[in-house]
Amino acid sequence: DVKVTQSSRYLVKRTGEKVFLECVQDMDHENMFWYRQDPGLGLRLIYFSYDVKMKEKGDIPEGYSVSREKKERFSLILESASTNQTSMYLCASSPRTTSLNNEQFFGPGTRLTVL
Amino acid sequence: DQQVKQNSPSLSVQEGRISILNCDYTNSMFDYFLWYKKYPAEGPTFLISISSIKDKNEDGRFTVFLNKSAKHLSLHIVPSQPGDSAVYFCAAESNDYKLSFGAGTTVTVRA
Repeated sequence: DVKVTQSSRYLVKRTGEKVFLECVQDMDHENMFWYRQDPGLGLRLIYFSYDVKMKEKGDIPEGYSVSREKKERFSLILESASTNQTSMYLCASSPRTTSLNNEQFFGPGTRLTVL
Repeated sequence: DQQVKQNSPSLSVQEGRISILNCDYTNSMFDYFLWYKKYPAEGPTFLISISSIKDKNEDGRFTVFLNKSAKHLSLHIVPSQPGDSAVYFCAAESNDYKLSFGAGTTVTVRA
């Protein structure tokens, strides 16, 4: 079974702190994604990566950066946390295939609160 | 602009009856559509999908219908069970591995 794990389930940080959210997948997937989920807005893509050292901006990258030094690990960084970054953060991975079945597998999420 | 829209934020249905969830999209380049189910404090899990070359896909109690000309898809759950109470997200992909998600519909199944 595919397993995507995230370093913390709940996190509380102060405004201005640097925050690291870690995601690890164990299925050798090439693609990895970071989303945030907010009520009424669904899941919005922050950043994604198709391979090691590669990163692409999603729909809402402002205030975030990412790092992918190893294939299995994709980190989301909040350089200076702000209260409007309080949210549920979800990591996902998927294989790079030529088939149409491009299901993404999600981690359990990190509920981040910025005070 | 959201390219995938779920206009009903919530749905309440009696156990044993049919649940119908709707989803509309604007991007005609989308060629693959998925439904995810999410329980509180858990990540979304894949439920069912359909490619743009089909108009129906069935898996047990779950059926997804796609109307390409109307850019509309729907998820039918028959019969609805208490364990189906969750948030359901519609998602669409346009051959670049990225998914665009709707805002979600919260389904409550009443006993």
